[in-house]
Amino acid sequence: DIQMTQSPSSLSASVGDRVTITCRASQGIWSHLAWSQQKPGKAPERLISAASTLLSGVPSRFSGSGSGTEFTLTISSLQPEDFATYYCQQYNSFPYTFGQGTKLEIK
Amino acid sequence: EVQLVESGGGLVQPGGSLRLSCVASGFTFSNNYMDWVRQAPGKGLEWVGQIRNKAQGYTTEYAASVKGRFTISRDDSNNSLYLQMNSLRIEDTAVYYCGDMGAVIGNYWGQGTLVTVSS
Repeated sequence: DIQMTQSPSSLSASVGDRVTITCRASQGIWSHLAWSQQKPGKAPERLISAASTLLSGVPSRFSGSGSGTEFTLTISSLQPEDFATYYCQQYNSFPYTFGQGTKLEIK
Repeated sequence: EVQLVESGGGLVQPGGSLRLSCVASGFTFSNNYMDWVRQAPGKGLEWVGQIRNKAQGYTTEYAASVKGRFTISRDDSNNSLYLQMNSLRIEDTAVYYCGDMGAVIGNYWGQGTLVTVSS
């Protein structure tokens, strides 16, 4: 199985900060990676597919990059509604696997 | 607008069975491969399994933790996805989401249904 490791596991930041979350795959997954956001008590919502394709309706302050084994999600200027948990997920091979999540909290 | 609505969750005893349903709208359901994902209380996300489309023979894949106990099926005429869960264990307690977790360029997550396995 491909192991997805996110860092950090939690992060405190302020409104307006630039933050970066890293996701590492235990083996190469090309660009077969998605990022999803989950707010408390809600279902996850996908933000990015194919490592860097921003989905329709997702604010442009979100961006994704990387390929192979190392990927990043960057939020250029944090807004109050961005405080949530973020998950990376590989869909290169079965079983699909998720990172453990990064909880983004208000400082 | 893509909508996925799960139902069928509830309380079941260990060893029991439950069938979850997911009704899709807003996209051509029959074209998509569809997945189930679960989230135990306070934990992260775990992929459960996938069913491919008719062109791929409705073939399925499962996580090792559920293989042989869970079965995924679909009814394209009713835009519906199913998860038959047998021999349920306490550790199967989770919110179950349906969706497309593959290469789709879009947000295909349902809202989830809670399954509680307890005596």
